[in-house]
Amino acid sequence: SAVISQKPSRDICQRGTSLTIQCQVDSQVTMMFWYRQQPGQSLTLIATANQGSEATYESGFVIDKFPISRPNLTFSTLTVSNMSPEDSSIYLCSVEGGVNTEAFFGQGTRLTVV
Amino acid sequence: DAKTTQPPSMDCAEGRAANLPCNHSTISGNEYVYWYRQIHSQGPQYIIHGLKNNETNEMASLIITEDRKSSTLILPHATLRDTAVYYCIVRVGWGSEKLVFGKGTKLTVNP
Repeated sequence: SAVISQKPSRDICQRGTSLTIQCQVDSQVTMMFWYRQQPGQSLTLIATANQGSEATYESGFVIDKFPISRPNLTFSTLTVSNMSPEDSSIYLCSVEGGVNTEAFFGQGTRLTVV
Repeated sequence: DAKTTQPPSMDCAEGRAANLPCNHSTISGNEYVYWYRQIHSQGPQYIIHGLKNNETNEMASLIITEDRKSSTLILPHATLRDTAVYYCIVRVGWGSEKLVFGKGTKLTVNP
């Protein structure tokens, strides 16, 4: 299993500012995933973060808005840039446990943009 | 897009079995069926997964039809703490395959 720590757990931010969310895993993992969950909705994958290479973004998400860092095999950050109220969501970090195992999720960061 | 279809909501009495259906008619031969649940905006929690045989663990049982086009998650004795959104996902069983979440089923366990 993998234990994932996300920081901050919640934040209230002013529009036009940026917030960086941290994801720390207690073991080395190849791939980390960032999801967004808008109010009342399901989870949507933002991007896949590999160590040593640029993140791969899903359709509708761009690097300028959601820059991602992956400096090592246990850590990643997601930045939500130039925020607007539409960015108010829960942002979740996820990792794979290994071959033919489940994915593990952090507890999420609840972001409110005012 | 999600490859699964689930009813949007279900109710179950506490102590009774909860049977959550999932349709995945386009599943490929190498794709597994995974179940996760999300309790009130917490991170999703893994429940169980299977390829074609029925599976059971300490949390639940997974029944997959012979043609693999549908499955049922069974919580044998539902408790109030099982109230959550349950997601059925099909994916290749090993790492690097992203999880595509559908809308899930909101299960409400009533006292």
